[in-house]
Amino acid sequence: GENVEQHPSTLSVQEGDSAVIKCTYSDSASNYFPWYKQELGKGPQLIIDIRSNVGEKKDQRIAVTLNKTAKHFSLHITETQPEDSAVYFCAARRRAQKLVFGQGTRLTINP
Amino acid sequence: DTGVSQDPRHKITKRGQNVTFRCDPISEHNRLYWYRQTLGQGPEFLTYFQNEAQLEKSRLLSNRFSAERPKGSFSTLEIQRTEQGDSAMYLCASSFSQDQEAFFGQGTRLTVV
Repeated sequence: GENVEQHPSTLSVQEGDSAVIKCTYSDSASNYFPWYKQELGKGPQLIIDIRSNVGEKKDQRIAVTLNKTAKHFSLHITETQPEDSAVYFCAARRRAQKLVFGQGTRLTINP
Repeated sequence: DTGVSQDPRHKITKRGQNVTFRCDPISEHNRLYWYRQTLGQGPEFLTYFQNEAQLEKSRLLSNRFSAERPKGSFSTLEIQRTEQGDSAMYLCASSFSQDQEAFFGQGTRLTVV
């Protein structure tokens, strides 16, 4: 089955700097890759996703890139703000199947 | 559309007791998923439904766990004879169809004492 590895487990950046979180997946048939943000005591919130027919997607300060050949995808957050502090999870899914999650990255934005 | 709703938000129970959680998905969402999340980990898949049909169950779902979605709308997850290892956040998610985005509820945090 699918296995998703996420790095780093913790990331601390200065406010205004960029943050990058990386994930690798094992199932070459996976075709959907969402990113979720989870704040303390809350459920995961979908922030951006990408499908295997595109290589990059942007939404304001957030972007996701996908390299199908290498089977990895990354989340890029630019101009980080204190409210970006949270735990971020990547996930992968084969068509019509369940999401498989990475282990999470705790992002801390230092003022 | 008020999003995915889970009830209760918190549950404390004594070991050996049965507990039941409810999930109300986003209206017209056909897919409903249950996940479990322990501290510092990503969500782990438990089971999912397409309408009222339960299509897949994880090996994590022991015979003490049962889930239903009787009319293809809300779902319940029951844990019988709870153990301390069952302490976790139980998350529900729904999607409009099999290939659409999945949206999560706020979860039910279970503590078994």
